[in-house]
Amino acid sequence: QSALTQPRSVSGSPGQSVTISCTGTSSDVGAYNFVSWYQQHPGKAPKLMIYDVIKGPSGVPDRFSGSKSANTASLTISGLRAEDEADYYCCSYAGSYTWVFGGGTKVTVL
Amino acid sequence: QVQLQESGPGLVKPSETLSLSCTVSGGSITTQYWSWIRQPAGKGLEWIGRIYSSGSTNYNPSLKSRVTMSVDRSKNQFSLRLNSLTAADTAIYYCARAGTPGSGYYFDNWGQGTLVTVSS
Repeated sequence: QSALTQPRSVSGSPGQSVTISCTGTSSDVGAYNFVSWYQQHPGKAPKLMIYDVIKGPSGVPDRFSGSKSANTASLTISGLRAEDEADYYCCSYAGSYTWVFGGGTKVTVL
Repeated sequence: QVQLQESGPGLVKPSETLSLSCTVSGGSITTQYWSWIRQPAGKGLEWIGRIYSSGSTNYNPSLKSRVTMSVDRSKNQFSLRLNSLTAADTAIYYCARAGTPGSGYYFDNWGQGTLVTVSS
């Protein structure tokens, strides 16, 4: 069970869109529609932003959207805002009631 | 709104056992799954395991030999024990709600986290 692969960092200007990829295998991301995404500001606990690949919890802006193709899931932030600057982690169900996280991506708003 | 709060020692010696508790307030611990997740400083998240309110458990295969989780429904708490500690176990430990049977393959409610340092 290896960690999912995410880019170390992505950046964009306010108002632009950024996309974070999350690559796993046919045993986790590719096998199940149970990918979730978490936002973490420095010194804070992670916050659920997307679940079941595409669903947004109540209260999360619809600027955040998720998708998946084969073994790679993606999180897109549209209309980038200063408060979106944070670390983002993907997570996938990996079968046998286990879960695996990605290494995290730092989003910088230029 | 359910709130979770971790508690336990912040410093533990190598080779000893870490014991943490998570108190759930604003809701019942029953008919829910609960997880422990950790994060070494400056690094990513690692899922440790989950426990159902009945006491059934699932653990990360890489930690399974050292992990025990338990639940105390009378106190609305669940707990983590991790033995044979090394410096690599130094991390912030989070407890989180992990959904209900048949749904909720994600972590929708997190504690603030507690830093555990393994050092002599």
